[in-house]
Amino acid sequence: DAKTTQPPSMDCAEGRAANLPCNHSTISGNEYVYWYRQIHSQGPQYIIHGLKNNETNEMASLIITEDRKSSTLILPHATLRDTAVYYCIVRSRNQAGTALIFGKGTTLSVSS
Amino acid sequence: GAVVSQHPSRVICKSGTSVKIECRSLDFQATTMFWYRQFPKQSLMLMATSNEGSKATYEQGVEKDKFLINHASLTLSTLTVTSAHPEDSSFYICSASDVPVAFFGQGTRLTVV
Repeated sequence: DAKTTQPPSMDCAEGRAANLPCNHSTISGNEYVYWYRQIHSQGPQYIIHGLKNNETNEMASLIITEDRKSSTLILPHATLRDTAVYYCIVRSRNQAGTALIFGKGTTLSVSS
Repeated sequence: GAVVSQHPSRVICKSGTSVKIECRSLDFQATTMFWYRQFPKQSLMLMATSNEGSKATYEQGVEKDKFLINHASLTLSTLTVTSAHPEDSSFYICSASDVPVAFFGQGTRLTVV
């Protein structure tokens, strides 16, 4: 799987958009970008995934650059409950039945 | 989305005893489940892959005789920490895939005293 790079931490004011970047410059054509988050003392929660088109669901939006070498997870109106560690993971669909390998992620702190 | 349920959410046991943790996929079948361990302020570390009807596959450095895995059905995998010691205290998390998305249990906080 391609390696990802994320900033270790970010701050966001409550009610503002949180934009979390992820670099995956070695991504290959059949690899998807997945985002998960882990709130303290809970298991990781699936947020969203995409291949090359931008994706949006009830939780977030995923913007993938045209060259697919980076992506941004957008939480449009961050709340205090969005404080968590956010993980960007790249994996091919062929490996969808294999374990996810977690990096260190980005710790997002949302404050009032 | 799909639900993976893990039980118990926290357990305290005495040193030398064994503890069983259950992981269930509630609305899908999973021939493969995964077990992770997470120490404070660290990321999740994959321990083993649980295969329905066959032996589990363990990551390097994980003792298979200490962490017994049973995957007896398509919806249930169990992790038994045998002869637990204080250094086994950790947050244990299971995962199962409803392809193409992996879902995770709530985690089990194990404290060995």
